[in-house]
Amino acid sequence: DAGVIQSPRHEVTEMGQEVTLRCKPISGHDYLFWYRQTMMRGLELLIYFNNNVPIDDSGMPEDRFSAKMPNASFSTLKIQPSEPRDSAVYFCASSPTGSYGYTFGSGTRLTVV
Amino acid sequence: GQQVMQIPQYQHVQEGEDFTTYCNSSTTLSNIQWYKQRPGGHPVFLIQLVKSGEVKKQKRLTFQFGEAKKDSSLHITATQTTDVGTYFCAARPLDSNYQLIWGAGTKLIIKP
Repeated sequence: DAGVIQSPRHEVTEMGQEVTLRCKPISGHDYLFWYRQTMMRGLELLIYFNNNVPIDDSGMPEDRFSAKMPNASFSTLKIQPSEPRDSAVYFCASSPTGSYGYTFGSGTRLTVV
Repeated sequence: GQQVMQIPQYQHVQEGEDFTTYCNSSTTLSNIQWYKQRPGGHPVFLIQLVKSGEVKKQKRLTFQFGEAKKDSSLHITATQTTDVGTYFCAARPLDSNYQLIWGAGTKLIIKP
């Protein structure tokens, strides 16, 4: 298995632009998680899905953030409009059940200038 | 909210010395997981501990879960350069709906 696949690896955008991050979880994993990592705040859970359904989005910082999972093999995290404080590494992770270890993707390093 | 304290923040060791990181929760946990993140990389799942007092070993790594299921430790014997990175604990409280509470991580640095 190729693992969790995220794209793009790096994204540099101007403030105010829309950013879309993509994730393909491991086949058969029912849980998908979006995390954000910064030096100041560490790893923060933004949202997670179970069987493509959003279960908890309480970590989504603002209405500018939205996430979708239209099918079991694809999820997106969208930021519109982006702001410099959104600069971070965004990780997608999946798990076969909610109670076991997560497999993380390589992450998307987002820089908003 | 619930928090997990992880110490130390950094540990500088000479190659060959031992390394230990500790995690402590104020509430009883269902289980605790450990991850390693290499510089510039992503967290990689190492192990999950579930039972009170559990001890698990992976080569030079020893993981322990406290009797009260509120604390855990990771000990590395005779560190090697390949051990460099940040080690995170991720705790699942008893009342969690599959959410993990992450420690701040301990960065292992090998002195030149």
